[in-house]
Amino acid sequence: DTEVTQTPKHLVMGMTNKKSLKCEQHMGHRAMYWYKQKAKKPPELMFVYSYEKLSINESVPSRFSPECPNSSLLNLHLHALQPEDSALYLCASSQVTGGLFEQYFGPGTRLTVT
Amino acid sequence: GNSVTQMEGPVTLSEEAFLTINCTYTATGYPSLFWYVQYPGEGLQLLLKATKADDKGSNKGFEATYRKETTSFHLEKGSVQVSDSAVYFCALGDYDGTGKLIFGQGTTLQVKP
Repeated sequence: DTEVTQTPKHLVMGMTNKKSLKCEQHMGHRAMYWYKQKAKKPPELMFVYSYEKLSINESVPSRFSPECPNSSLLNLHLHALQPEDSALYLCASSQVTGGLFEQYFGPGTRLTVT
Repeated sequence: GNSVTQMEGPVTLSEEAFLTINCTYTATGYPSLFWYVQYPGEGLQLLLKATKADDKGSNKGFEATYRKETTSFHLEKGSVQVSDSAVYFCALGDYDGTGKLIFGQGTTLQVKP
């Protein structure tokens, strides 16, 4: 099974709200990723977790706060977002980090900030 | 730095036509190469991969060969279907151990009946 699940599928939030996105995989992968994708563009890497530790933060604003509670779960906490943060947020996982290993993506959470 | 260039779309084909989507890359070392497909309203799905020169990845009738001499990884399919309509992304796996994927800009394919 190569499934990565994400909840919720859609999220609408105001600029003062706090919400969280959730991602889960049961493939035994030790690397997990958050991406942001705008319409008609490729995904942009936000964060990489390797063995539950944050290994890459691509200069993401602090209103996005990632968390990896265990090897199967990845959360993205959202606070005080801006309308330009509206996008599709994709989670992915791979066996470990490294260019040799393919990443498996979830279906994404479509976020709208009003 | 490493980069991936894909042919600009959209590509519009009739059903059963031959498909080629060009992808070239610039990289140091020996990266792995991937094709991902994104259907409307969905996440990315891994379509195929190749990890070394002359490797051929294949899946669901799609093929791509890792050509080091031309730094290319073109995607081909002999006979497209309407259900193949999607956005296709070529990607390079950075060999620095970070797990970063370098994506091309994506090519939209529309197949008409």
